[in-house]
Amino acid sequence: EAGVAQSPRYKIIEKRQSVAFWCNPISGHATLYWYQQILGQGPKLLIQFQNNGVVDDSQLPKDRFSAERLKGVDSTLKIQPAKLEDSAVYLCASSSGMVNTEAFFGQGTRLTVV
Amino acid sequence: AQSVTQLGSHVSVSEGALVLLRCNYSSSVPPYLFWYVQYPNQGLQLLLKYTTGATLVKGINGFEAEFKKSETSFHLTKPSAHMSDAAEYFCAVSGGSNYKLTFGKGTLLTVNP
Repeated sequence: EAGVAQSPRYKIIEKRQSVAFWCNPISGHATLYWYQQILGQGPKLLIQFQNNGVVDDSQLPKDRFSAERLKGVDSTLKIQPAKLEDSAVYLCASSSGMVNTEAFFGQGTRLTVV
Repeated sequence: AQSVTQLGSHVSVSEGALVLLRCNYSSSVPPYLFWYVQYPNQGLQLLLKYTTGATLVKGINGFEAEFKKSETSFHLTKPSAHMSDAAEYFCAVSGGSNYKLTFGKGTLLTVNP
């Protein structure tokens, strides 16, 4: 089966600009996660969707970050305006949402804010 | 609430030596536990997982981990390290009704010839 697809793979923007990332999860997966991974750190959950509803967005900086999951399938994560500290890899993952199943990760988008 | 602590941000072993990466977790509900591996410029790949049942779980590439509830630990081991094992390893915990997946800070494993 096809894996989690993310685009773009790399993005360089100037601070105060906006940027958007796209994720296409594994077909049929109800749960979708967006993680931020700063260099040398573990992934930090930004937002978790169950179908098209938000389950957890407690660590999402809502003044600048937004995310949506259209029709419970694809998802976009947006940053506006970007700050230098947003430089990180943004990972999308999906799971079937059933108990004891693991999350499958995309290759990530590496964002550099200059 | 749940959390993961990985002891040692960097572990270095010789090729052929035992690999031991430590993970302790905190969870208010029975946990599901995972080890993921990340190679440079790649996403995370599942090594193994514990859900219920047998506390010693075997994963890919010869890795295994043992769930010890009394010690709230889920340490990862491999009897003999290979150069290709060099990567970053993340322990993660999930549980509760929304299956939030929380990661530790990771352990970078280097393997010396």
